[in-house]
Amino acid sequence: QQPVQSPQAVILREGEDAVINCSSSKALYSVHWYRQKHGEAPVFLMILLKGGEQKGHDKISASFNEKKQQSSLYLTASQLSYSGTYFCGTEGEKSSGDKLTFGTGTRLAVRP
Amino acid sequence: EPEVTQTPSHQVTQMGQEVILRCVPISNHLYFYWYRQILGQKVEFLVSFYNNEISEKSEIFDDQFSVERPDGSNFTLKIRSTKLEDSAMYFCASAYSVNTGELFFGEGSRLTVL
Repeated sequence: QQPVQSPQAVILREGEDAVINCSSSKALYSVHWYRQKHGEAPVFLMILLKGGEQKGHDKISASFNEKKQQSSLYLTASQLSYSGTYFCGTEGEKSSGDKLTFGTGTRLAVRP
Repeated sequence: EPEVTQTPSHQVTQMGQEVILRCVPISNHLYFYWYRQILGQKVEFLVSFYNNEISEKSEIFDDQFSVERPDGSNFTLKIRSTKLEDSAMYFCASAYSVNTGELFFGEGSRLTVL
Protein backbone atom coordinates (compact mmCIF):
# COMPACT_ATOMS: atom_id res chain seq x y z
CA GLN A 1 0.00 0.00 0.00
CA GLN A 2 1.12 3.44 -0.90
CA PRO A 3 2.37 5.77 1.85
CA VAL A 4 0.55 9.07 2.22
CA GLN A 5 2.42 12.33 2.25
CA SER A 6 1.37 15.68 3.63
CA PRO A 7 1.12 18.42 2.71
CA GLN A 8 0.50 17.90 -0.99
CA ALA A 9 2.13 21.19 -1.82
CA VAL A 10 3.90 24.00 -0.02
CA ILE A 11 5.22 27.40 -1.06
CA LEU A 12 8.03 28.95 0.92
CA ARG A 13 10.05 32.12 0.85
CA GLU A 14 13.78 31.60 0.75
CA GLY A 15 15.06 31.03 4.29
CA GLU A 16 11.82 29.59 5.66
CA ASP A 17 11.46 26.09 7.10
CA ALA A 18 9.18 23.24 6.07
CA VAL A 19 8.22 19.79 7.27
CA ILE A 20 7.01 17.03 4.99
CA ASN A 21 5.36 13.99 6.51
CA CYS A 22 5.07 10.43 5.28
CA SER A 23 2.70 7.88 6.84
CA SER A 24 2.25 4.22 6.14
CA SER A 25 -0.50 1.83 7.16
CA LYS A 26 1.92 -1.06 7.53
CA ALA A 27 5.03 -1.81 9.56
CA LEU A 28 8.12 -0.41 7.94
CA TYR A 29 11.69 -1.52 7.72
CA SER A 30 13.07 1.57 6.05
CA VAL A 31 12.11 4.94 4.66
CA HIS A 32 13.90 6.62 1.77
CA TRP A 33 13.55 10.26 0.75
CA TYR A 34 14.02 11.45 -2.82
CA ARG A 35 13.72 14.82 -4.53
CA GLN A 36 12.64 15.15 -8.13
CA LYS A 37 13.06 18.33 -10.09
CA HIS A 38 10.74 18.97 -13.01
CA GLY A 39 11.59 16.76 -15.97
CA GLU A 40 14.37 14.94 -14.13
CA ALA A 41 14.83 11.63 -12.36
CA PRO A 42 14.34 11.30 -8.61
CA VAL A 43 17.55 11.85 -6.66
CA PHE A 44 18.29 10.12 -3.39
CA LEU A 45 18.46 12.29 -0.28
CA MET A 46 18.70 9.84 2.60
CA ILE A 47 17.58 6.52 4.02
CA LEU A 48 16.39 5.80 7.54
CA LEU A 49 16.24 2.35 9.01
CA LYS A 50 14.30 0.94 11.94
CA GLY A 51 15.52 2.44 15.19
CA GLY A 52 13.88 5.85 15.24
CA GLU A 53 17.04 7.51 14.05
CA GLN A 54 17.36 11.00 12.77
CA LYS A 55 19.63 11.85 9.90
CA GLY A 56 20.92 15.08 8.48
CA HIS A 57 22.25 16.18 5.14
CA ASP A 58 23.20 19.82 4.96
CA LYS A 59 20.12 21.68 6.14
CA ILE A 60 17.84 18.76 5.33
CA SER A 61 17.20 16.18 8.02
CA ALA A 62 14.68 13.43 8.64
CA SER A 63 13.31 11.30 11.41
CA PHE A 64 11.68 7.87 11.42
CA ASN A 65 9.26 6.68 14.07
CA GLU A 66 8.65 3.03 13.25
CA LYS A 67 6.06 2.63 16.00
CA LYS A 68 3.90 5.25 14.35
CA GLN A 69 4.98 4.12 10.88
CA GLN A 70 5.84 7.71 10.08
CA SER A 71 8.75 9.70 8.79
CA SER A 72 9.24 13.43 8.56
CA LEU A 73 11.61 15.42 6.37
CA TYR A 74 12.78 18.76 7.77
CA LEU A 75 13.96 21.49 5.43
CA THR A 76 15.66 24.31 7.29
CA ALA A 77 16.46 27.76 5.93
CA SER A 78 15.22 26.72 2.50
CA GLN A 79 17.13 27.64 -0.63
CA LEU A 80 15.85 28.10 -4.16
CA SER A 81 17.53 24.80 -5.07
CA TYR A 82 15.21 22.94 -2.70
CA SER A 83 12.30 23.41 -5.10
CA GLY A 84 10.97 20.15 -6.50
CA THR A 85 8.72 17.25 -5.61
CA TYR A 86 9.69 15.22 -2.57
CA PHE A 87 8.81 11.54 -2.41
CA CYS A 88 9.17 9.17 0.46
CA GLY A 89 9.77 5.57 -0.47
CA THR A 90 8.96 2.88 2.03
CA GLU A 91 9.93 -0.71 2.42
CA GLY A 92 7.71 -2.92 4.51
CA GLU A 93 9.00 -5.25 7.18
CA LYS A 94 7.52 -8.25 5.50
CA SER A 95 8.51 -7.44 1.95
CA SER A 96 11.00 -9.47 0.02
CA GLY A 97 13.36 -6.66 0.72
CA ASP A 98 13.78 -5.20 -2.70
CA LYS A 99 10.84 -2.99 -3.47
CA LEU A 100 10.28 0.64 -2.63
CA THR A 101 6.76 1.98 -2.70
CA PHE A 102 6.72 5.71 -3.26
CA GLY A 103 4.36 8.13 -1.59
CA THR A 104 2.00 10.57 -3.19
CA GLY A 105 4.62 13.31 -3.37
CA THR A 106 4.88 16.83 -1.95
CA ARG A 107 5.52 19.72 -4.31
CA LEU A 108 7.75 22.35 -2.79
CA ALA A 109 8.28 25.74 -4.37
CA VAL A 110 10.80 28.14 -2.84
CA ARG A 111 10.42 31.76 -3.93
CA PRO A 112 13.06 34.50 -3.62
CA GLU B 1 30.57 9.23 -11.38
CA PRO B 2 28.80 6.04 -12.48
CA GLU B 3 25.25 6.49 -13.67
CA VAL B 4 22.26 4.60 -14.96
CA THR B 5 21.66 5.31 -18.63
CA GLN B 6 18.42 4.85 -20.51
CA THR B 7 17.49 4.84 -24.16
CA PRO B 8 15.56 6.17 -25.91
CA SER B 9 14.92 9.41 -24.08
CA HIS B 10 11.61 9.77 -25.88
CA GLN B 11 9.62 7.34 -28.00
CA VAL B 12 6.37 7.95 -29.80
CA THR B 13 4.45 4.87 -30.90
CA GLN B 14 1.07 3.84 -32.23
CA MET B 15 -1.34 1.98 -30.00
CA GLY B 16 -0.83 -1.76 -30.33
CA GLN B 17 2.83 -1.54 -31.26
CA GLU B 18 5.61 -3.20 -29.30
CA VAL B 19 8.12 -1.02 -27.48
CA ILE B 20 11.45 -1.90 -25.91
CA LEU B 21 13.01 0.47 -23.40
CA ARG B 22 16.66 -0.06 -22.60
CA CYS B 23 18.69 0.58 -19.51
CA VAL B 24 22.33 0.13 -18.59
CA PRO B 25 22.52 -0.07 -14.79
CA ILE B 26 25.61 0.79 -12.79
CA SER B 27 28.05 -2.05 -13.39
CA ASN B 28 28.49 -3.52 -9.90
CA HIS B 29 24.85 -3.20 -8.93
CA LEU B 30 22.82 -6.32 -8.28
CA TYR B 31 19.22 -5.11 -8.07
CA PHE B 32 17.36 -3.61 -10.96
CA TYR B 33 13.99 -1.91 -11.17
CA TRP B 34 11.52 -0.33 -13.50
CA TYR B 35 9.25 2.41 -12.25
CA ARG B 36 6.86 4.58 -14.20
CA GLN B 37 5.48 8.04 -13.65
CA ILE B 38 2.43 9.35 -15.43
CA LEU B 39 2.82 13.09 -15.98
CA GLY B 40 2.54 15.00 -12.71
CA GLN B 41 1.74 11.94 -10.67
CA LYS B 42 3.55 9.65 -8.28
CA VAL B 43 6.35 7.25 -9.11
CA GLU B 44 4.86 3.75 -9.41
CA PHE B 45 6.73 0.50 -8.95
CA LEU B 46 6.54 -1.92 -11.86
CA VAL B 47 9.07 -4.67 -11.29
CA SER B 48 12.26 -5.62 -9.49
CA PHE B 49 14.86 -8.00 -10.84
CA TYR B 50 17.61 -9.85 -9.02
CA ASN B 51 19.79 -12.81 -9.87
CA ASN B 52 18.39 -12.98 -13.39
CA GLU B 53 14.79 -13.27 -12.39
CA ILE B 54 11.87 -11.14 -11.37
CA SER B 55 11.76 -10.84 -7.58
CA GLU B 56 8.62 -8.77 -7.30
CA LYS B 57 6.10 -7.14 -9.61
CA SER B 58 3.12 -4.88 -9.21
CA GLU B 59 -0.40 -5.32 -10.50
CA ILE B 60 0.47 -2.85 -13.27
CA PHE B 61 3.03 -5.32 -14.60
CA ASP B 62 0.62 -7.59 -16.45
CA ASP B 63 1.21 -10.01 -19.30
CA GLN B 64 1.87 -7.13 -21.70
CA PHE B 65 5.10 -6.36 -19.86
CA SER B 66 8.31 -8.33 -19.71
CA VAL B 67 11.86 -7.68 -18.59
CA GLU B 68 15.12 -9.30 -19.38
CA ARG B 69 18.83 -8.88 -18.90
CA PRO B 70 20.06 -10.39 -22.14
CA ASP B 71 23.78 -9.80 -21.92
CA GLY B 72 24.75 -9.01 -18.34
CA SER B 73 24.78 -5.27 -18.86
CA ASN B 74 21.52 -4.18 -20.50
CA PHE B 75 18.21 -4.39 -18.67
CA THR B 76 15.20 -4.06 -20.92
CA LEU B 77 11.50 -3.47 -20.46
CA LYS B 78 9.25 -4.67 -23.27
CA ILE B 79 5.65 -3.63 -23.68
CA ARG B 80 4.10 -6.06 -26.10
CA SER B 81 1.04 -4.18 -27.30
CA THR B 82 0.97 -0.60 -26.09
CA LYS B 83 -2.19 1.10 -24.86
CA LEU B 84 -2.89 4.81 -24.55
CA GLU B 85 -2.64 4.55 -20.77
CA ASP B 86 0.94 3.26 -21.06
CA SER B 87 2.01 6.80 -21.90
CA ALA B 88 4.34 7.79 -19.09
CA MET B 89 7.94 8.37 -18.11
CA TYR B 90 9.63 5.05 -17.43
CA PHE B 91 12.52 5.11 -14.99
CA CYS B 92 15.09 2.39 -14.63
CA ALA B 93 16.89 2.19 -11.29
CA SER B 94 19.62 0.05 -9.84
CA ALA B 95 21.05 -0.58 -6.40
CA TYR B 96 24.02 -2.43 -4.98
CA SER B 97 22.15 -3.51 -1.91
CA VAL B 98 18.61 -3.23 -0.69
CA ASN B 99 17.43 -2.26 2.76
CA THR B 100 20.40 0.05 3.24
CA GLY B 101 21.17 1.27 -0.21
CA GLU B 102 19.94 4.08 -2.36
CA LEU B 103 18.32 3.59 -5.70
CA PHE B 104 20.12 5.25 -8.55
CA PHE B 105 17.64 6.37 -11.19
CA GLY B 106 18.23 6.89 -14.87
CA GLU B 107 17.04 10.02 -16.62
CA GLY B 108 13.94 8.20 -17.84
CA SER B 109 12.38 7.26 -21.15
CA ARG B 110 9.27 9.17 -22.09
CA LEU B 111 6.77 6.96 -23.91
CA THR B 112 3.93 8.56 -25.83
CA VAL B 113 1.29 6.22 -27.22
CA LEU B 114 -0.97 7.70 -29.90
